[in-house]
Amino acid sequence: QVQLVQSGAEVKKPGASVKVSCKASGYTFTSYGISWVRQAPGQGLEWMGWISAYNGNTNYAQKLQGRVTMTTDTSTSTAYMELRSLRSDDTAVYYCARNSNYGPYYMDVWGKGTTVTVSS
Amino acid sequence: EIVLTQSPGTLSLSPGERATLSCRASQSVSSSYLAWYQQKPGQAPRLLIYGASSRATGIPDRFSGSGSGTDFTLTISRLEPEDFAVYYCQQYGSSQTFGQGTKVEIK
Repeated sequence: QVQLVQSGAEVKKPGASVKVSCKASGYTFTSYGISWVRQAPGQGLEWMGWISAYNGNTNYAQKLQGRVTMTTDTSTSTAYMELRSLRSDDTAVYYCARNSNYGPYYMDVWGKGTTVTVSS
Repeated sequence: EIVLTQSPGTLSLSPGERATLSCRASQSVSSSYLAWYQQKPGQAPRLLIYGASSRATGIPDRFSGSGSGTDFTLTISRLEPEDFAVYYCQQYGSSQTFGQGTKVEIK
């Protein structure tokens, strides 16, 4: 079945970086894109950005430009999201979700989420 | 940036009742590029509706979406116990934004 399996929880200090992985299975990885969405504790959903697994094109949320990098490894069907210069308000559950290869559209398959805690 | 405003914030209803959730955009959403998601506590969101009115795979027909331009609605015709959750709208016509969510709780 189609699934996205994310890496485990992370605890980071302010100023550090975190890299979250998302391994896809059950479909042709390069036929879709991946979006990343985060959710702070008790809050709503925030779109972070999108990457095409076909050609590596990206589209990042303006708020995170310069701090986030999304990449893919087609040999292992894995997407990665790296967030740098972490602050306490980056504490959230980070989700990867399957998307179109043509741009960030709706998201039809989601990973279970990775909790990232930023604390000194 | 297109801002999505969902109302009401909380909807208190009983099983079997009809739920009507609203999502209003600050400007027109092109090509009805609007989706709805359901999220239960401790779980990832689940896609319900895309293109304003198309049901995602496996979604029961008690869920329906309608609207265009700036006003969109998600209707749950008869609430089942498993439908009590938070619902988010998302526009993907101009970058991507989510509404703040509507919680459907048991009355």
